[in-house]
Amino acid sequence: SQKIEQNSEALNIQEGKTATLTCNYTNYSPAYLQWYRQDPGRGPVFLLLIRENEKEKRKERLKVTFDTTLKQSLFHITASQPADSATYLCALENQAGTALIFGKGTTLSVSS
Amino acid sequence: GAGVSQSPSNKVTEKGKDVELRCDPISGHTALYWYRQSLGQGLEFLIYFQGNSAPDKSGLPSDRFSAERTGGSVSTLTIQRTQQEDSAVYLCASRDDRGNSPLHFGNGTRLTVT
Repeated sequence: SQKIEQNSEALNIQEGKTATLTCNYTNYSPAYLQWYRQDPGRGPVFLLLIRENEKEKRKERLKVTFDTTLKQSLFHITASQPADSATYLCALENQAGTALIFGKGTTLSVSS
Repeated sequence: GAGVSQSPSNKVTEKGKDVELRCDPISGHTALYWYRQSLGQGLEFLIYFQGNSAPDKSGLPSDRFSAERTGGSVSTLTIQRTQQEDSAVYLCASRDDRGNSPLHFGNGTRLTVT
């Protein structure tokens, strides 16, 4: 079955630095991968989607890469701010195409 | 427009009681999902609805768990004879039919079984 791993449970960085979060997957070749943000007490909120034929996707200060050879996606937040502090989840569709499977998430803390 | 709405937001129940959790998806979204999130754990898929049918209910942890959807809209997740290990946040999400479309989540129901 598919497996998704987000390497770091927690990441602490200084304001203004770039945060880089990693998502690795096994046993599957997904057509796309999604990233979500989750704040305490709230449901996840969609941020970005990247398709298998896209190497990179950007949205404002966010950048996502997708390496289908390494089976890895990197999520970058540039010029990070304390308001970026949250848990970030990567997700990909299961082989049956019936659900998104999520990683456990990386909790980012940006200190001023 | 309105997002996904879940009720109640919090539910405390005694072990052995039955509970019903409700989800109102975004209007027009045909796909609906239930997930469970335990403390320190990731999102665990429970069940997927397309319209009123459930093509994938493989994530339901036991036969104490069931779900239904009526009118292609509201869904109810029922847990019978609750156990302490059922304590978690139950999240509902919906999405439209377009391929690759993102999930829109509600804020969940926090269930505590005492």
